[in-house]
Amino acid sequence: KAGVTQTPRYLIKTRGQQVTLSCSPISGHRSVSWYQQTPGQGLQFLFEYFSETQRNKGNFPGRFSGRQFSNSRSEMNVSTLELGDSALYLCASSSGGGETGANVLTFGAGSRLTVL
Amino acid sequence: QKEVEQNSGPLSVPEGAIASLNCTYSDRVSQSFFWYRQYSGKSPELIMSIYSNGDKEDGRFTAQLNKASQYVSLLIRDSQPSDSATYLCAVRLPDSTLTFGKGTMLLVSP
Repeated sequence: KAGVTQTPRYLIKTRGQQVTLSCSPISGHRSVSWYQQTPGQGLQFLFEYFSETQRNKGNFPGRFSGRQFSNSRSEMNVSTLELGDSALYLCASSSGGGETGANVLTFGAGSRLTVL
Repeated sequence: QKEVEQNSGPLSVPEGAIASLNCTYSDRVSQSFFWYRQYSGKSPELIMSIYSNGDKEDGRFTAQLNKASQYVSLLIRDSQPSDSATYLCAVRLPDSTLTFGKGTMLLVSP
């Protein structure tokens, strides 16, 4: 079955702009998590959505937001971009239920954002 | 602050040797533990998950969990150059958040 699809794969923005990234999870998966990956900080958790509700949120400023649609697709938005927002943004999906293995994340290829 | 600690490496081993990767975590109530592999320029992919104390084997990979010591390890037997990658330890917190260590870079030389 199809994996996790992220678009766009690469994008370049300038400071002060905003950006929207999209993620389509594996079919049947209801949980979508977003991570920011940088060389210095590694993978840092942004937020998780499950059945259109934000279930968890990491320690990022309010400029970072997200949402999930009824078909489980998710978007994240970063407003007022800063140079430090340059990173690989990874989306991961899981079934999100209570059964064993439901919390195993499968990652997409990522969206690499460069802020100039 | 819930933390997952890994030695950044690089860990260098010759082809055919056993590579041992270690991880410690701070939240004692964590119940689920994962090892992901990430090749340069690629996204992380799951290698192993472990939920109970002891060893879990899958091919050349063995995950070891010691909850009392808050310690997780990954052993790679008969290491191959294709195993050269960054290995990420991840811990599922009680709120279901998956927290990652910064990863250990493994280099397997022919």
